[in-house]
Amino acid sequence: GEDVEQSLFLSVREGDSSVINCTYTDSSSTYLYWYKQEPGAGLQLLTYIFSNMDMKQDQRLTVLLNKKDKHLSLRIADTQTGDSAIYFCAESNSNSGYALNFGKGTSLLVTP
Amino acid sequence: DAGVTQSPTHLIKTRGQQVTLRCSPKSGHDTVSWYQQALGQGPQFIFQYYEEEERQRGNFPDRFSGHQFPNYSSELNVNALLLGDSALYLCASSSGQGAGAYTEAFFGQGTRLTVV
Repeated sequence: GEDVEQSLFLSVREGDSSVINCTYTDSSSTYLYWYKQEPGAGLQLLTYIFSNMDMKQDQRLTVLLNKKDKHLSLRIADTQTGDSAIYFCAESNSNSGYALNFGKGTSLLVTP
Repeated sequence: DAGVTQSPTHLIKTRGQQVTLRCSPKSGHDTVSWYQQALGQGPQFIFQYYEEEERQRGNFPDRFSGHQFPNYSSELNVNALLLGDSALYLCASSSGQGAGAYTEAFFGQGTRLTVV
């Protein structure tokens, strides 16, 4: 399938903002998602954005979408140690029946 | 509400054997999707069941098969296990079809399958 790429690792200090980036190649991507996975746990949907939007904010989370460059980012404000986890970017589109196509995940480490 | 429950949580099988994994969807959900997550990788879509039929399928061989029961629960069967089938198998439940089946999906904790 089409590619979804993420940087593998990010380390930030507690209280700073974290920005996790993602690029995708499928121009027909309709929905773009951010999921969080903590050790030994399943996936938790954090937020998603429809492709006709360029920004979505939900409490400490801000999603930015640059459709022209096929670039998605997740900003976490005031990052806490409890935010340490793996964050997955995913896309879906009608060509694949909206099945989720995930990146390999970005491991976020928040240090005190 | 118990959410999405998967069983067993861990499983060890020998190469060549067959395995069945089970998933009970969140209350009110009628669609079940299965994903394979190899170590250090993102989940990969296996297939989706709705109204007891396979509706979508990812790029997986037909050794991977499934079933959905009238109560919406689902099974994932893998035949002739290979070492490469070792992974976390995740089940996601949602309601209906189309984009909504994924924008409102809830994932279970997964079944960790080890093939030796």
